[in-house]
Amino acid sequence: DTGVSQNPRHKITKRGQNVTFRCDPISEHNRLYWYRQTLGQGPEFLTYFQNEAQLEKSRLLSDRFSAERPKGSFSTLEIQRTEQGDSAMYLCASSLVGGDTQYFGPGTRLTVL
Amino acid sequence: AQSVTQLDSQVPVFEEAPVELRCNYSSSVSVYLFWYVQYPNQGLQLLLKYLSGSTLVKGINGFEAEFNKSQTSFHLRKPSVHISDTAEYFCAVSVTVLGAQKLVFGQGTRLTINP
Repeated sequence: DTGVSQNPRHKITKRGQNVTFRCDPISEHNRLYWYRQTLGQGPEFLTYFQNEAQLEKSRLLSDRFSAERPKGSFSTLEIQRTEQGDSAMYLCASSLVGGDTQYFGPGTRLTVL
Repeated sequence: AQSVTQLDSQVPVFEEAPVELRCNYSSSVSVYLFWYVQYPNQGLQLLLKYLSGSTLVKGINGFEAEFNKSQTSFHLRKPSVHISDTAEYFCAVSVTVLGAQKLVFGQGTRLTINP
Protein backbone atom coordinates (compact mmCIF):
# COMPACT_ATOMS: atom_id res chain seq x y z
CA ASP A 1 0.00 0.00 0.00
CA THR A 2 1.76 3.11 -1.25
CA GLY A 3 -1.00 5.55 -0.35
CA VAL A 4 -2.69 8.13 -2.52
CA SER A 5 -0.32 10.07 -4.75
CA GLN A 6 -0.89 13.37 -6.57
CA ASN A 7 1.10 15.12 -9.27
CA PRO A 8 2.32 17.71 -9.57
CA ARG A 9 2.71 18.84 -5.98
CA HIS A 10 2.91 22.49 -7.00
CA LYS A 11 1.75 24.31 -10.10
CA ILE A 12 2.16 27.97 -10.93
CA THR A 13 0.31 29.22 -13.96
CA LYS A 14 -0.81 32.44 -15.55
CA ARG A 15 -4.45 33.47 -15.65
CA GLY A 16 -6.20 32.05 -18.68
CA GLN A 17 -4.02 28.96 -19.00
CA ASN A 18 -5.29 25.39 -18.67
CA VAL A 19 -3.94 23.04 -16.00
CA THR A 20 -4.35 19.33 -15.32
CA PHE A 21 -3.72 17.45 -12.11
CA ARG A 22 -3.42 13.72 -11.60
CA CYS A 23 -4.44 11.51 -8.69
CA ASP A 24 -3.47 7.86 -8.21
CA PRO A 25 -5.61 6.26 -5.49
CA ILE A 26 -4.74 3.31 -3.29
CA SER A 27 -4.78 0.40 -5.72
CA GLU A 28 -7.82 -1.54 -4.50
CA HIS A 29 -9.94 1.55 -3.78
CA ASN A 30 -12.79 2.01 -6.26
CA ARG A 31 -14.08 5.32 -4.87
CA LEU A 32 -12.17 8.52 -5.57
CA TYR A 33 -12.95 12.03 -4.34
CA TRP A 34 -11.70 15.52 -5.20
CA TYR A 35 -11.75 18.37 -2.68
CA ARG A 36 -10.55 21.97 -2.85
CA GLN A 37 -8.99 23.77 0.10
CA THR A 38 -8.48 27.53 0.06
CA LEU A 39 -6.19 29.31 2.49
CA GLY A 40 -7.45 29.18 6.06
CA GLN A 41 -10.43 26.99 5.24
CA GLY A 42 -11.34 23.34 5.47
CA PRO A 43 -11.52 21.21 2.34
CA GLU A 44 -14.70 21.44 0.25
CA PHE A 45 -16.10 18.56 -1.76
CA LEU A 46 -15.89 18.90 -5.55
CA THR A 47 -16.77 15.55 -7.07
CA TYR A 48 -16.52 11.80 -6.66
CA PHE A 49 -16.20 8.66 -8.76
CA GLN A 50 -17.13 5.09 -8.23
CA ASN A 51 -14.94 3.14 -10.60
CA GLU A 52 -15.09 5.17 -13.85
CA ALA A 53 -18.52 6.71 -13.18
CA GLN A 54 -18.70 10.30 -11.92
CA LEU A 55 -21.65 10.14 -9.55
CA GLU A 56 -21.82 13.63 -8.07
CA LYS A 57 -20.51 17.08 -8.79
CA SER A 58 -20.65 20.03 -6.42
CA ARG A 59 -22.00 23.38 -7.56
CA LEU A 60 -18.44 24.61 -6.84
CA LEU A 61 -17.38 22.74 -9.97
CA SER A 62 -18.01 25.32 -12.68
CA ASP A 63 -18.07 24.55 -16.39
CA ARG A 64 -14.34 25.29 -16.52
CA PHE A 65 -13.64 22.25 -14.37
CA SER A 66 -13.74 18.69 -15.64
CA ALA A 67 -12.73 15.46 -13.97
CA GLU A 68 -12.25 12.03 -15.44
CA ARG A 69 -11.39 8.55 -14.31
CA PRO A 70 -11.26 6.72 -17.62
CA LYS A 71 -10.28 3.23 -16.51
CA GLY A 72 -11.44 3.36 -12.94
CA SER A 73 -7.91 3.77 -11.66
CA PHE A 74 -6.18 7.18 -11.75
CA SER A 75 -8.16 10.39 -12.13
CA THR A 76 -7.43 13.76 -13.69
CA LEU A 77 -8.86 17.17 -12.82
CA GLU A 78 -8.58 19.83 -15.50
CA ILE A 79 -9.23 23.52 -15.05
CA GLN A 80 -9.63 25.55 -18.23
CA ARG A 81 -9.03 29.29 -18.48
CA THR A 82 -7.75 29.52 -14.93
CA GLU A 83 -8.70 32.50 -12.77
CA GLN A 84 -6.96 33.87 -9.70
CA GLY A 85 -9.83 32.55 -7.58
CA ASP A 86 -8.84 29.03 -8.58
CA SER A 87 -5.69 29.31 -6.48
CA ALA A 88 -6.04 26.60 -3.83
CA MET A 89 -4.86 23.20 -2.69
CA TYR A 90 -6.58 20.41 -4.63
CA LEU A 91 -6.86 17.23 -2.59
CA CYS A 92 -7.68 13.75 -3.76
CA ALA A 93 -8.93 10.95 -1.53
CA SER A 94 -9.90 7.34 -2.05
CA SER A 95 -11.88 4.69 -0.24
CA LEU A 96 -13.32 1.24 -0.65
CA VAL A 97 -16.96 0.72 -1.55
CA GLY A 98 -18.67 0.38 1.80
CA GLY A 99 -15.62 1.80 3.55
CA ASP A 100 -16.06 4.49 6.15
CA THR A 101 -12.68 6.19 5.82
CA GLN A 102 -11.24 8.36 3.08
CA TYR A 103 -7.47 8.39 2.65
CA PHE A 104 -6.01 11.63 1.37
CA GLY A 105 -3.12 12.39 -0.91
CA PRO A 106 -0.59 15.19 -0.32
CA GLY A 107 -2.47 17.59 -2.58
CA THR A 108 -1.57 19.81 -5.52
CA ARG A 109 -1.09 23.48 -4.68
CA LEU A 110 -2.18 25.71 -7.57
CA THR A 111 -1.14 29.33 -7.80
CA VAL A 112 -2.70 31.43 -10.55
CA LEU A 113 -0.83 34.66 -11.26
CA ALA B 1 -27.93 20.11 5.70
CA GLN B 2 -24.99 18.91 7.71
CA SER B 3 -22.44 21.44 8.91
CA VAL B 4 -19.44 21.57 11.24
CA THR B 5 -18.25 24.43 13.42
CA GLN B 6 -14.83 24.49 14.99
CA LEU B 7 -15.08 27.04 17.73
CA ASP B 8 -11.44 28.09 17.87
CA SER B 9 -9.41 29.10 14.83
CA GLN B 10 -6.15 29.05 16.82
CA VAL B 11 -5.13 27.36 20.06
CA PRO B 12 -1.70 28.08 21.57
CA VAL B 13 -0.53 25.81 24.40
CA PHE B 14 2.71 25.01 26.16
CA GLU B 15 4.46 21.71 25.64
CA GLU B 16 3.25 18.93 27.97
CA ALA B 17 0.04 20.83 28.75
CA PRO B 18 -3.38 19.33 28.01
CA VAL B 19 -5.40 20.56 25.05
CA GLU B 20 -9.00 20.43 23.86
CA LEU B 21 -10.07 21.36 20.33
CA ARG B 22 -13.78 21.95 20.08
CA CYS B 23 -16.12 20.78 17.34
CA ASN B 24 -19.88 21.08 17.03
CA TYR B 25 -21.94 19.63 14.22
CA SER B 26 -25.47 19.91 12.96
CA SER B 27 -27.30 17.04 11.38
CA SER B 28 -30.82 15.71 11.26
CA VAL B 29 -29.66 12.13 10.86
CA SER B 30 -27.13 9.79 12.39
CA VAL B 31 -23.62 10.80 11.53
CA TYR B 32 -20.13 9.53 11.27
CA LEU B 33 -17.57 11.98 12.73
CA PHE B 34 -13.88 12.33 12.00
CA TRP B 35 -10.83 14.29 13.08
CA TYR B 36 -8.03 14.78 10.57
CA VAL B 37 -4.64 16.44 11.06
CA GLN B 38 -2.78 18.39 8.39
CA TYR B 39 0.92 19.15 8.73
CA PRO B 40 2.36 22.04 6.69
CA ASN B 41 2.22 21.44 2.93
CA GLN B 42 0.81 17.97 3.37
CA GLY B 43 -2.52 16.21 2.88
CA LEU B 44 -4.89 15.11 5.62
CA GLN B 45 -4.15 12.22 7.97
CA LEU B 46 -6.92 10.49 9.90
CA LEU B 47 -6.58 10.87 13.68
CA LEU B 48 -9.74 9.08 14.77
CA LYS B 49 -13.35 8.43 13.87
CA TYR B 50 -16.70 7.81 15.51
CA LEU B 51 -19.07 5.47 13.73
CA SER B 52 -21.15 3.95 16.54
CA GLY B 53 -20.77 2.30 19.92
CA SER B 54 -18.61 3.73 22.67
CA THR B 55 -18.74 7.51 22.74
CA LEU B 56 -15.08 7.78 23.74
CA VAL B 57 -12.87 7.17 20.74
CA LYS B 58 -9.12 6.75 20.88
CA GLY B 59 -6.91 7.63 17.97
CA ILE B 60 -3.29 7.89 16.96
CA ASN B 61 -0.61 9.98 18.65
CA GLY B 62 -2.39 9.88 22.02
CA PHE B 63 -5.47 11.80 20.89
CA GLU B 64 -9.01 10.93 21.91
CA ALA B 65 -12.45 12.41 21.28
CA GLU B 66 -15.83 12.14 22.91
CA PHE B 67 -19.07 12.02 20.97
CA ASN B 68 -21.89 13.85 22.76
CA LYS B 69 -25.17 13.46 20.93
CA SER B 70 -27.20 15.78 23.18
CA GLN B 71 -24.71 18.61 22.74
CA THR B 72 -23.93 17.66 19.12
CA SER B 73 -20.24 17.87 19.91
CA PHE B 74 -17.14 15.85 19.12
CA HIS B 75 -14.27 17.54 20.99
CA LEU B 76 -10.69 16.36 20.53
CA ARG B 77 -8.38 16.05 23.54
CA LYS B 78 -4.82 15.16 24.40
CA PRO B 79 -3.57 15.06 27.99
CA SER B 80 -0.02 16.17 27.19
CA VAL B 81 1.02 17.75 23.89
CA HIS B 82 4.37 17.63 22.15
CA ILE B 83 6.05 20.09 19.81
CA SER B 84 5.37 17.64 16.97
CA ASP B 85 1.61 18.10 17.46
CA THR B 86 1.85 21.56 15.91
CA ALA B 87 -0.50 21.33 12.92
CA GLU B 88 -3.96 22.19 11.61
CA TYR B 89 -6.79 20.00 12.87
CA PHE B 90 -10.05 19.47 11.01
CA CYS B 91 -13.30 18.03 12.29
CA ALA B 92 -15.58 16.49 9.66
CA VAL B 93 -18.98 14.89 9.36
CA SER B 94 -19.86 12.44 6.63
CA VAL B 95 -22.87 12.87 4.39
CA THR B 96 -24.08 9.88 2.43
CA VAL B 97 -24.59 10.70 -1.24
CA LEU B 98 -25.55 7.99 -3.69
CA GLY B 99 -24.05 5.43 -1.36
CA ALA B 100 -20.74 7.22 -0.90
CA GLN B 101 -19.71 9.29 2.05
CA LYS B 102 -18.89 12.89 1.28
CA LEU B 103 -17.04 14.73 4.03
CA VAL B 104 -18.12 18.15 5.25
CA PHE B 105 -15.26 19.85 7.09
CA GLY B 106 -15.03 22.57 9.68
CA GLN B 107 -12.83 25.60 9.17
CA GLY B 108 -9.92 24.08 11.04
CA THR B 109 -8.08 24.83 14.28
CA ARG B 110 -4.40 25.70 14.20
CA LEU B 111 -2.66 24.15 17.20
CA THR B 112 0.61 25.81 18.15
CA ILE B 113 2.82 24.23 20.79
CA ASN B 114 5.22 26.53 22.59
CA PRO B 115 8.28 25.16 24.38
